[in-house]
Amino acid sequence: GQQVMQIPQYQHVQEGEDFTTYCNSSTTLSNIQWYKQRPGGHPVFLIQLVKSGEVKKQKRLTFQFGEAKKNSSLHITATQTTDVGTYFCAGPSSNTGKLIFGQGTTLQVKP
Amino acid sequence: DAGVIQSPRHEVTEMGQEVTLRCKPISGHNSLFWYRQTMMRGLELLIYFNNNVPIDDSGMPEDRFSAKMPNASFSTLKIQPSEPRDSAVYFCASSPRTGWIYEQYFGPGTRLTVT
Repeated sequence: GQQVMQIPQYQHVQEGEDFTTYCNSSTTLSNIQWYKQRPGGHPVFLIQLVKSGEVKKQKRLTFQFGEAKKNSSLHITATQTTDVGTYFCAGPSSNTGKLIFGQGTTLQVKP
Repeated sequence: DAGVIQSPRHEVTEMGQEVTLRCKPISGHNSLFWYRQTMMRGLELLIYFNNNVPIDDSGMPEDRFSAKMPNASFSTLKIQPSEPRDSAVYFCASSPRTGWIYEQYFGPGTRLTVT
């Protein structure tokens, strides 16, 4: 079945360093969504990308949707301790439309 | 807006007992989702309602699980009988529009422990 894979699974960075997580789908996606889950919290919607090659920014966060609409990335510039959490990408299944979540990338930031 | 409300926040029960989890979606949202999250399996969709009607329940693990949405402002997920492997965090989410392609707003979750 369709899979949404994220790498890396874990990332430890020093505060101030940059961070990137990558999301890859086995099939073309109509859109990609990104969520953040703080430790002990719930997933919170960050952004949705729809267009091929689309780039969106939210302050220090830059989201990109690949030209083939099969991959996406989230880049955080100059990480802060408030960035700690697990970042999930999610895309709708080409068969069922059901939203499929990646397994997430857990970011730890050392102050 | 109050956001998605779930109760209880924590539930500890013994194997074999019935467990009922409750969810109040954001007012005006017409899509509701129940998810289960574990370390091993990640975030799994259990069931999806649209306008109070179950659309996709293919993620419901087995007959021990059932979900209802009697009206637009309330949904329940019931496990009867519960088993230790049901221990997980259960999230309810709602979406302002119909379909999978729109953003979902998650509640705080119910952490279920079955001993």
